[in-house]
Order: sequence, then C-alpha cells, then structure tokens
Amino acid sequence: GQNIDQPTEMTATEGAIVQINCTYQTSGFNGLFWYQQHAGEAPTFLSYNVLDGLEEKGRFSSFLSRSKGYSYLLLKELQMKDSASYLCAALDSNYQLIWGAGTKLIIKP
Amino acid sequence: GAVVSQHPSRVICKSGTSVKIECRSLDFQATTMFWYRQFPKQSLMLMATSNEGSKATYEQGVEKDKFLINHASLTLSTLTVTSAHPEDSSFYICSASSPTSGSFPEQFFGPGTRLTVL
Repeated sequence: GQNIDQPTEMTATEGAIVQINCTYQTSGFNGLFWYQQHAGEAPTFLSYNVLDGLEEKGRFSSFLSRSKGYSYLLLKELQMKDSASYLCAALDSNYQLIWGAGTKLIIKP
Repeated sequence: GAVVSQHPSRVICKSGTSVKIECRSLDFQATTMFWYRQFPKQSLMLMATSNEGSKATYEQGVEKDKFLINHASLTLSTLTVTSAHPEDSSFYICSASSPTSGSFPEQFFGPGTRLTVL
C-alpha cells in the first residue's frame, strides 16, 4: 500500500533550527511536496523535490533521497509565525498526491 | 498567478439540507480539480478527482450520490453535499492543477470551506 510517515508533533525554540522528517512508500514516484498549513486555513506550497539532493529557499530547505524513500524539511531561524502544521505529500505514478498526517510544529519563545 | 477561490468560506446549515461549494481557478485553466476533506487534527483526505467535461473519480468510501461533483468548465468545479448530516461537518478544500500552470505538477489550493451541519 501507499504510506507517508511523519512525526505528529515537534517543539522548537524561536531562532533555532528544526528538521521535520518524512518517509514514503508509493506506487511510482513523481516528486515530493512540502506544504505549510495554519489552523483553519488551506495548505500553502513550500517546496517540491523530484531529484536527490537539497533545495534551499530562504529559511526553508528540503531534502530528498529517492533510494531511501526519505525527505526532510529544514527550517532555520525559527519565527513564531512558523508555528503551523507541515504536510509531506508524495506524487505517485498516477500523479495523485499521497498525504502524510502532518507534523504540528510548536515554536516557543 | 495560480489563484484558486472557494465560496462560501463558511456555511452553517440544518441537517437534511444540501450545500453547494464552488471552486474557481481565477487566472488559469484547470484541467483537473481535486476535492479534499479535512477533519480536525487530521490530514487532507482526497474525496474525488474531476476532469473538465467528464465524470468525477471518487475515492473508495466516498459516496458519489451524496457528494455531487460537477466540473462544467475549465475554471469552475462545484461540490454539493446532499442531505447533509452532522457527521459531514468538516473543512472542505479544493485544489486545481493544469499541465501549463507551472514547471512541475503543483496543485493550487483554495482557501477552504468550513461546513457545520446542525
């Protein structure tokens, strides 16, 4: 079956760095997305990886290892506004997004 | 670019009534639209995928006669929750994609509709 695993909740301190991991098992693979979702709002796009390696975009970076079925989202210089759920989603061979349950990130001052 | 709107943003209705939710792609033609449902503290659950001009493909366990989806044009899809019951109360989110909307197969999300059935 198809499956996405990511931690349920993480806590970090303002100004610090946090890494949110995601492992996936899908029927075929056409890339991996990270989305940010604040409570009561729709997801907003953060990153897309289809090749192995690290993609850096400002304070956020995303890494992919296709051979390991593994990705992580790295958030640097954490700000209070980064408190949100972070959703990992893999695109399968039918170009359908398979969603993880999301990681709730709590930022403490 | 790539803006998707949803209307209404919030709706409260009585049990047994029907509710229609609209999803529009404002600045691109969406060949495919997706409807998701999200319960509190849970992830997005895909309900159905609709392609313009054809019948929607429903995910297992989603009643197609209860959740009517129409994708009549390249910019509009509607979800009608028929004979709504309190257990249908949820956050409904649509997304849209197009082969020409970007360099990779991104889905653009609407802001969501909070449905509360009394």
